Amino acid sequence: EDQVTQSPEALRLQEGESSSLNCSYTVSGLRGLFWYRQDPGKGPEFLFTLYSAGEEKEKERLKATLTKKESFLHITAPKPEDSATYLCAVQDNYGQNFVFGPGTRLSVLP
Amino acid sequence: KAGVTQTPRYLIKTRGQQVTLSCSPISGHRSVSWYQQTPGQGLQFLFEYFSETQRNKGNFPGRFSGRQFSNSRSEMNVSTLELGDSALYLCASSSWLGETQYFGPGTRLLVL
Repeated sequence: EDQVTQSPEALRLQEGESSSLNCSYTVSGLRGLFWYRQDPGKGPEFLFTLYSAGEEKEKERLKATLTKKESFLHITAPKPEDSATYLCAVQDNYGQNFVFGPGTRLSVLP
Repeated sequence: KAGVTQTPRYLIKTRGQQVTLSCSPISGHRSVSWYQQTPGQGLQFLFEYFSETQRNKGNFPGRFSGRQFSNSRSEMNVSTLELGDSALYLCASSSWLGETQYFGPGTRLLVL
């Protein structure tokens, strides 16, 4: 059974203090790993898709990386507007449903 | 391009009632998935529709059902509502099965 865990559960950073969020997964064969950002009371907003180990993608202050067992979301010099819950999801090679992790709640203080 | 839209945005129902939620996918997208999100369980997959056929189903009781129309719009129905059905119900669309999913704003359901 596909499983996704995320750590830490919550993270508080000062503005400009870089850090990383972790997504560990167990899947029979990875078709894709997805990162989303979710603001309170809203639907998840798509950030990145990673398909193979070694792949990296960047968007503004965010950079996602992928290994065979985990993915990291690096946040460089975060701003208060980066505060949100970051969700990771995996999809197996059968192309079936997405399995989401519990998320990391990020707070960036000014 | 307009995003995924969901109606209604908020609903209050009482136990035993039934509810129907609607989702309009991004134009050109043919796959629609539904999720339930609660603080305790996170995002849980309900079902996925593609070309009016249910392709995959999560581990939810038969009270939860859905359908998809020829224009790819989708509805989900929950019958005999229970207090535990209170949640944010999210719809996501993708251009094809297994492709990146884009979420709507959700429908917040409160069961009293």
